[in-house]
Amino acid sequence: QKEVEQNSGPLSVPEGAIASLNCTYSDRGSQSFFWYRQYSGKSPELIMFIYSNGDKEDGRFTAQLNKASQYVSLLIRDSQPSDSATYLCAVNVDSSYKLIFGSGTRLLVRP
Amino acid sequence: DTGVSQDPRHKITKRGQNVTFRCDPISEHNRLYWYRQTLGQGPEFLTYFQNEAQLEKSRLLSDRFSAERPKGSFSTLEIQRTEQGDSAMYLCASSMDSIAIYFGEGSWLTVV
Repeated sequence: QKEVEQNSGPLSVPEGAIASLNCTYSDRGSQSFFWYRQYSGKSPELIMFIYSNGDKEDGRFTAQLNKASQYVSLLIRDSQPSDSATYLCAVNVDSSYKLIFGSGTRLLVRP
Repeated sequence: DTGVSQDPRHKITKRGQNVTFRCDPISEHNRLYWYRQTLGQGPEFLTYFQNEAQLEKSRLLSDRFSAERPKGSFSTLEIQRTEQGDSAMYLCASSMDSIAIYFGEGSWLTVV
């Protein structure tokens, strides 16, 4: 079993809709969780991170964490074509802050 | 703050040659990481430095790979006797005793 799992997609949503991206992880000791956005041919860009159960909002982005279910999600409200990218979920597994990444979900926002 | 800088951005080399990548982290960041990413996959951890000390190496880092951070500032990643399977994007990242890890633009390696 992979440590961090994501649906590869593509997830296709119309412009203005809410995009919901999901991620599950296997290590119950994981403490912090990250979402990165990666455009084709570019490097990952940090969007947000979350430590505690519940929701964390930043602009159009909301990260949701449920440690009991080992599940983290990213909601993108009012999706724009410029949001079309691969979204990588990553988990911190120990005090080194080393991140374990999922394979990413490709999001397509249709104009 | 100019971000994490990597050089060269692209490198094409013949199988068997050695290559070296350089990373300049964000100023004052004490932690530096190297990752490798292939098409369709997420970044895979290679190694990690805290200041000048290399604290962890992945099993992915074979004997042909070596990384250094001699003065706790910039870092180099050398690949000896390159193989076609080494073709990937090599990503450097840094952080400052905090959770957030920021990536550079990456160095693309193509081994022909």
